[in-house]
Amino acid sequence: DTGVSQNPRHKITKRGQNVTFRCDPISEHNRLYWYRQTLGQGPEFLTYFQNEAQLEKSRLLSDRFSAERPKGSFSTLEIQRTEQGDSAMYLCAGERFRVDYGYTFGSGTRLTVV
Amino acid sequence: AQTVTQSQPEMSVQEAETVTLSCTYDTSESNYYLFWYKQPPSRQMILVIRQEAYKQQNATENRFSVNFQKAAKSFSLKISDSQLGDTAMYFCAFMKTGNQFYFGTGTSLTVIP
Repeated sequence: DTGVSQNPRHKITKRGQNVTFRCDPISEHNRLYWYRQTLGQGPEFLTYFQNEAQLEKSRLLSDRFSAERPKGSFSTLEIQRTEQGDSAMYLCAGERFRVDYGYTFGSGTRLTVV
Repeated sequence: AQTVTQSQPEMSVQEAETVTLSCTYDTSESNYYLFWYKQPPSRQMILVIRQEAYKQQNATENRFSVNFQKAAKSFSLKISDSQLGDTAMYFCAFMKTGNQFYFGTGTSLTVIP
């Protein structure tokens, strides 16, 4: 148990449907990051939160994507009107900012859009 | 923008032997961190080793050590006494202080019995 849980582990959805993923870090993780990893590639940054504030969003995060971290605890990543190109592994990572200087990753949610 | 390059898509090593994975990066920053993460098949990414750029001494964690050449912007990972459990995808990553990670494309390492 690394302290970062992601649900669901796998999600298959039809093109055009909306999906939502959840990430539960430990309470000490004041920073929470979302990354996307496609096959054969390294993870690419999507967005991150410090507590409940969303501080940065990548250009990869189109207007179909939205992320929240209410009360600075768990976080959700929603994709609206999914496209086949959204198929990827979505990784969440927690960090104790200025303490860890490194992430603790969750197991990821693998999304397949058919 | 920061870039991280891993030029070896795949490598293999005999069990108990030593292997070195290469990583180069490009940045204009002076303060940063470098990491190697391991991602076993269908499992989560795990931190292997971390290097602070301001430290001249190379980081070591048990069988894992790095060769950090700041001027050359090189950060290689050496795995000694390779074990079957070392079979995984290895990602090199760069982080500016208090900022996002930039990952390389990974090196798939197979340890052969």
